[in-house]
Amino acid sequence: GAVVSQHPSWVICKSGTSVKIECRSLDFQATTMFWYRQFPKQSLMLMATSNEGSKATYEQGVEKDKFLINHASLTLSTLTVTSAHPEDSSFYICSARVNRDTEAFFGQGTRLTVV
Amino acid sequence: EDKVVQSPLSLVVHEGDTVTLNCSYEVTNFRSLLWYKQEKKAPTFLFMLTSSGIEKKSGRLSSILDKKELFSILNITATQTGDSAIYLCAVDSFGNEKLTFGTGTRLTIIP
Repeated sequence: GAVVSQHPSWVICKSGTSVKIECRSLDFQATTMFWYRQFPKQSLMLMATSNEGSKATYEQGVEKDKFLINHASLTLSTLTVTSAHPEDSSFYICSARVNRDTEAFFGQGTRLTVV
Repeated sequence: EDKVVQSPLSLVVHEGDTVTLNCSYEVTNFRSLLWYKQEKKAPTFLFMLTSSGIEKKSGRLSSILDKKELFSILNITATQTGDSAIYLCAVDSFGNEKLTFGTGTRLTIIP
């Protein structure tokens, strides 16, 4: 199957700093990628849809100025958590599909801890 | 707004038992339903269902879709401890590229 690589797999940062998470489709081009957040023992919560060459579409309640998404190429989307606070600590996962007739492939996820 | 509901939220069974996980949905312009298994990190794909009544099978796992009653089930027979995971159901609809996920069912298999 297609491979989606997410980096880093875990990161610890200080409150007030920014953290960038990368999501790459390794063997296919993804015009659209998705960013999710997952709290312990809960399901995936879609944060935003990342569109190559255009602005991301954010879900209701997600602060676009805090969670900056850039989809600069057909194989790379980045999520930057700006001015991180302890409540931003979570598991962030990206996904992409080859096309609408295939399943979504997920990155390995990034566990962010803000101290 | 699309809605996906999974039941039960959690399930604990003994090794060797058979389990049935449920997923019901309300979406506009249904396209497909997908099942994923999530252990510690990223979800891994199990099945994609688009047509009613056609069972998809992979080893001890099988799934079927009922588009009239708007639900799907995931069956796991002869469960093993390695089946312990969160099972996620997601729905895709035409005109909306994102997948809508259910709350998941946390399955625990006791040796």
